[in-house]
Amino acid sequence: DAGVIQSPRHEVTEMGQEVTLRCKPISGHDYLFWYRQTMMRGLELLIYFNNNVPIDDSGMPEDRFSAKMPNASFSTLKIQPSEPRDSAVYFCASSFHHRAGKLFFGEGSRLTVL
Amino acid sequence: SQQGEEDPQALSIQEGENATMNCSYKTSINNLQWYRQNSGRGLVHLILIRSNEREKHSGRLRVTLDTSKKSSSLLITASRAADTASYFCATDGGANSKLTFGKGITLSVRP
Repeated sequence: DAGVIQSPRHEVTEMGQEVTLRCKPISGHDYLFWYRQTMMRGLELLIYFNNNVPIDDSGMPEDRFSAKMPNASFSTLKIQPSEPRDSAVYFCASSFHHRAGKLFFGEGSRLTVL
Repeated sequence: SQQGEEDPQALSIQEGENATMNCSYKTSINNLQWYRQNSGRGLVHLILIRSNEREKHSGRLRVTLDTSKKSSSLLITASRAADTASYFCATDGGANSKLTFGKGITLSVRP
């Protein structure tokens, strides 16, 4: 079975541009998580969904960040406008039936904002 | 904020040696998990230990949990160069809490 699929793998953009990261969770998983990883702050949970509904977005840094899950097989994380401090690796992960169980991670989207 | 904190931050050993990594946490937990991350890749789940368990094995991995000391250890026996990666502990702090990750341990296994 395919794992969690993220796109793009790499994104380089200029400050002020809109960035959209995409995620396809594992089929049948009902939890989806967006994490951000930086050297300074480690792995931070931004937001998670259960059955396509956002449950906790307290980790979203500011209003420039938004996430949607229009259906069980697709989610987006959008940054508008992007800033250099948003440069990081963004991971999507999914799990089955538990918000804190075994997570399956995608390969990540490395974002560089110039 | 991170719940789990791994120790040491970096570890370098010779192939064939055992690697021991530690994780300490602050609040009570339901379970504790260990993940591995190879360079440039996503995290991969290794093992989950519940708060009522003291030890768990999976292949060359052995995990212990001491809830009285709020600590866990991950032992990799007979290490291989392919074990070179970053290792993270993650804790689930209970009802409605999220899985939070430590900053990780960088393990280098020299051939």
